[in-house]
Amino acid sequence: DTEVTQTPKHLVMGMTNKKSLKCEQHMGHRAMYWYKQKAKKPPELMFVYSYEKLSINESVPSRFSPECPNSSLLNLHLHALQPEDSALYLCASSQDVRASYEQYFGPGTRLTVT
Amino acid sequence: AQTVTQSQPEMSVQEAETVTLSCTYDTSESNYYLFWYKQPPSRQMILVIRQEAYKQQNATENRFSVNFQKAAKSFSLKISDSQLGDTAMYFCAFMKQITASKLTFGTGTRLQVTL
Repeated sequence: DTEVTQTPKHLVMGMTNKKSLKCEQHMGHRAMYWYKQKAKKPPELMFVYSYEKLSINESVPSRFSPECPNSSLLNLHLHALQPEDSALYLCASSQDVRASYEQYFGPGTRLTVT
Repeated sequence: AQTVTQSQPEMSVQEAETVTLSCTYDTSESNYYLFWYKQPPSRQMILVIRQEAYKQQNATENRFSVNFQKAAKSFSLKISDSQLGDTAMYFCAFMKQITASKLTFGTGTRLQVTL
């Protein structure tokens, strides 16, 4: 099973809402990632978790709050977002954070902030 | 900081033909990895091919091969016998060979394979 799943597929939320994105993998990977991808742009790294610990935070605003409850699950909690946060949010996982290990991407959650 | 440049925003190729996508990068690192990722319309991004900088031999994966020129900092992707399923956005990416580094993507090349 080489699948990374993400839920929901689509999410529309108001600027005062609180919502969460979920990512799951059952490949035994110990590194998990959140990326943000705007239309017709490349993905931009937001967070990296390694062995369930936050390893990289790319200076992401605090209205985005990641959580890694266990080695298979990664959440992204959203609060007080802005319309410019509308984007495709991609989750990825790899066996390890080292570059030699392939990152497997999920299909993404398309987020619209109104 | 690393930068990755893809100078071809869009390309088109006929089915069964060969196409080459260009990528250049800038880094002061000596050990790193280079990747080509494919993102089909509304589908998951997948790794097409990867190259370790210390390996002189160009990587190949079936119809996909790279031309890695380390001194020129160039990493082009050649797709042979193009198929309709190759239609996608292709991203070139760079990653340092250290623990917990980040993938730096180029701006992408949109490839359309036509009949």
